[in-house]
Amino acid sequence: NAGVTQTPKFRILKIGQSMTLQCAQDMNHNYMYWYRQDPGMGLKLIYYSVGAGITDKGEVPNGYNVSRSTTEDFPLRLELAAPSQTSVYFCASSYGQTGSPLHFGNGTRLTVT
Amino acid sequence: DQQVKQNSPSLSVQEGRISILNCDYTNSMFDYFLWYKKYPAEGPTFLISISSIKDKNEDGRFTVFLNKSAKHLSLHIVPSQPGDSAVYFCAASEGYNQGGKLIFGQGTELSVKP
Repeated sequence: NAGVTQTPKFRILKIGQSMTLQCAQDMNHNYMYWYRQDPGMGLKLIYYSVGAGITDKGEVPNGYNVSRSTTEDFPLRLELAAPSQTSVYFCASSYGQTGSPLHFGNGTRLTVT
Repeated sequence: DQQVKQNSPSLSVQEGRISILNCDYTNSMFDYFLWYKKYPAEGPTFLISISSIKDKNEDGRFTVFLNKSAKHLSLHIVPSQPGDSAVYFCAASEGYNQGGKLIFGQGTELSVKP
């Protein structure tokens, strides 16, 4: 049982490039989330999904896109990377009920230069 | 607007003593509160939670207190151990209709000295 797996662990992008951050979970959770954490700040929600085929915006969705074709996978797409997207990205999953703890992956550290 | 605030970026405590981490919130619709612990280069891991219908929840060395009138919660760790050194995040959720989304505070870095 691997939990939540994120790839890659690190990535450096040039301004204007695109990439996809991968996230997979094997806990059969319906709910999945993408958060970003900037230095000295808390985690901010980018996008979330309550099930396959259903996604919705979080607090900071601009510059990102997501899809959820299966229960297990929830990739995050960055189009036209900008320096403001330099951050650590965390994927998480949960059962979704109020108070249901989120299970996080170990993060992807992204630098845009 | 920061709905969940942890005003102390860092806290240093001697091993064996009590650690108290504080968190304030502004949204009166929050009905569930959680604490997460994060080690470097790892994702946050769930520590303890409390529903708004309670004012205290204990789990071993960890106790969370909720004061709804003051919109304040705190995490007590007794006794503190060097392995507790980590960043602690307070988080809140607004209910089932919000899809289980959590709003996080900025974190407090706890250092427990041997």
